[in-house]
Amino acid sequence: ELKVEQNPLFLSMQEGKNYTIYCNYSTTSDRLYWYRQDPGKSLESLFVLLSNGAVKQEGRLMASLDTKARLSTLHITAAVHDLSATYFCAVVSTGTASKLTFGTGTRLQVTL
Amino acid sequence: DGGITQSPKYLFRKEGQNVTLSCEQNLNHDAMYWYRQDPGQGLRLIYYSQIVNDFQKGDIAEGYSVSREKKESFPLTVTSAQKNPTAFYLCASSQVRYNEQFFGPGTRLTVL
Repeated sequence: ELKVEQNPLFLSMQEGKNYTIYCNYSTTSDRLYWYRQDPGKSLESLFVLLSNGAVKQEGRLMASLDTKARLSTLHITAAVHDLSATYFCAVVSTGTASKLTFGTGTRLQVTL
Repeated sequence: DGGITQSPKYLFRKEGQNVTLSCEQNLNHDAMYWYRQDPGQGLRLIYYSQIVNDFQKGDIAEGYSVSREKKESFPLTVTSAQKNPTAFYLCASSQVRYNEQFFGPGTRLTVL
């Protein structure tokens, strides 16, 4: 059974600081997704990582994938208040077609 | 505009009643999904469908039922057998081949 773990579960950081969210998964996968969720809202797709060594960047967020280590990271550079949200990673295990398994989420709070 | 719609946005149900949540997409996606999210938790898969007239149970299908009579529509019925149905329900769709799932705005169900 595929398990997806994120850490930390909660992160409070000051504006202007850098930090990394980690996503570990338990079985082979070559596709990983990052989503953002604002309180009471739906999920918004941030990044799609499709191969080992993939790196994607959008603004202050950068995501990477290491399939050998079964690890993805979401790095936040010079955080701003607007990045406050919950971030989920989701993984497709090889052979399960379109089924995603989600991590528990990391709630990010950026303080002024 | 292409997208996924869910209705209603808020739904109140008395114990013992069945309720049906609507999900419609005009993205021409083959696959559709239903997830449940409890406060402070990740997403758990209820049912998914990769083709019309076919669907599979997810991780928490007990007390729920679905149908897929049209490609565009994937309604979810929460039956009286679901012991604790109060939650946020999210519908998603994807192309089967590419896995990236796009989410609707969600329905918040409260049992009174």
